[in-house]
Amino acid sequence: EIVLTQSPPLLSVSPGERATLSCRASQSVSTNLAWYQQKPGQAPRLLIYGASTRATGIPARFSGSGSGTEYTLTISSLQSEDFAVYYCQEYDNWPPWSSFGPGTILEIK
Amino acid sequence: QLLLVESGGGVVQPGGSLRLSCAASGFVFNTYAMQWVRQAPGKGLEWLAVISSGGTDQYYADPVKGRFTISRDNSKNTLFLQLNSLRSDDTAVYYCARSYDLWSGYFFPWGQGTLVSVSS
Repeated sequence: EIVLTQSPPLLSVSPGERATLSCRASQSVSTNLAWYQQKPGQAPRLLIYGASTRATGIPARFSGSGSGTEYTLTISSLQSEDFAVYYCQEYDNWPPWSSFGPGTILEIK
Repeated sequence: QLLLVESGGGVVQPGGSLRLSCAASGFVFNTYAMQWVRQAPGKGLEWLAVISSGGTDQYYADPVKGRFTISRDNSKNTLFLQLNSLRSDDTAVYYCARSYDLWSGYFFPWGQGTLVSVSS
């Protein structure tokens, strides 16, 4: 079973600044990693898949990188609507196995 | 417009059953794998089950294997999740989600969720 760890659990950043969120896997997931954004009371929204490919309609300020066991989601210039919880998800053994990380809360500083 | 709408949630006693539905529109339903993901109150996301586009293959996460059943009716563009032998730790918002690309392991779109509360 692959376990994902996200850091930090809580990240406080000012609007207009850059945010960097990390996701570490217990073993290599070979860039089979996605990122989701979830706002309170809403469903998750796919941002990134394949570690670095933006999903349809996702703004260019969101970017993903990484390989092996270490992955990063970067939001280049935070907008007010970006403050949310962010989850990483691995799908290296899909189908059918997949797991989500515990999430990082991105809050306004 | 891609749209998934869940229904069927509610309050149920431990040991009880529920059947969740997910109505799909805006895409060719019978060409995509579909799944269920849940989120306990204040907690993270947990993948539960996936079904292939034609409905012939189903896979389950260990916590729900043998208790939950995923199915689909492609003639009605609807996904189902039968929940049996419910426990208090099954209390969660249940989301249906489509594979982004046919059978991919990442999901878009998601429904708005339906709340299942298991309590005596």
